Amino acid sequence: DAGVIQSPRHEVTEMGQEVTLRCKPISGHNSLFWYRQTMMRGLELLIYFNNNVPIDDSGMPEDRFSAKMPNASFSTLKIQPSEPRDSAVYFCASSLTALLNTEAFFGQGTRLTVV
Amino acid sequence: AQRVTQPEKLLSVFKGAPVELKCNYSYSGSPELFWYVQYSRQRLQLLLRHISRESIKGFTADLNKGETSFHLKKPFAQEEDSAMYYCALKDQGAQKLVFGQGTRLTINP
Repeated sequence: DAGVIQSPRHEVTEMGQEVTLRCKPISGHNSLFWYRQTMMRGLELLIYFNNNVPIDDSGMPEDRFSAKMPNASFSTLKIQPSEPRDSAVYFCASSLTALLNTEAFFGQGTRLTVV
Repeated sequence: AQRVTQPEKLLSVFKGAPVELKCNYSYSGSPELFWYVQYSRQRLQLLLRHISRESIKGFTADLNKGETSFHLKKPFAQEEDSAMYYCALKDQGAQKLVFGQGTRLTINP
């Protein structure tokens, strides 16, 4: 397994444009997490899914952010419209939560720059 | 609510010196704690977990429930230890992983 795969690796977009980040979790994992990493706030949990169902989206900053998981092998995080303060590295992670003390496996991240 | 605090954003020590990265948590239940590391240009990866009581790359971390701490320690730092370190707590009820703000460790030659 290639691990958690995110695309694109880098995204530069203009303020006001729609941005879509993609994630393919590790096959067989039933939990998927979206995190945002910034220098000021570190790693923030935005939303997570269990068995494709959104469980907790309290970390989503505002209505401009939305996330979907249409099936067990794909998830998207969308920002519409994007703003410069959204610039950050966005990580996707997956885990198998059926087991105790399981670790989360992270993707390489998408570095988003909104100008 | 669960919370993880890493008081130091930056930590710089000389090679061969001891290292301690601090982590404190607040959680009402029995915590499940982890340390993750992110080396330059690499993805975030698990370093160690408290339940295993293991030593990885010379690092250890002991859960102190009285002080609600899970500090990461290494007796003799090496240059390759330079990285970003995150302490994390697993909320077992909600099944989510909550991270601290991270500490950037720099080992000077």
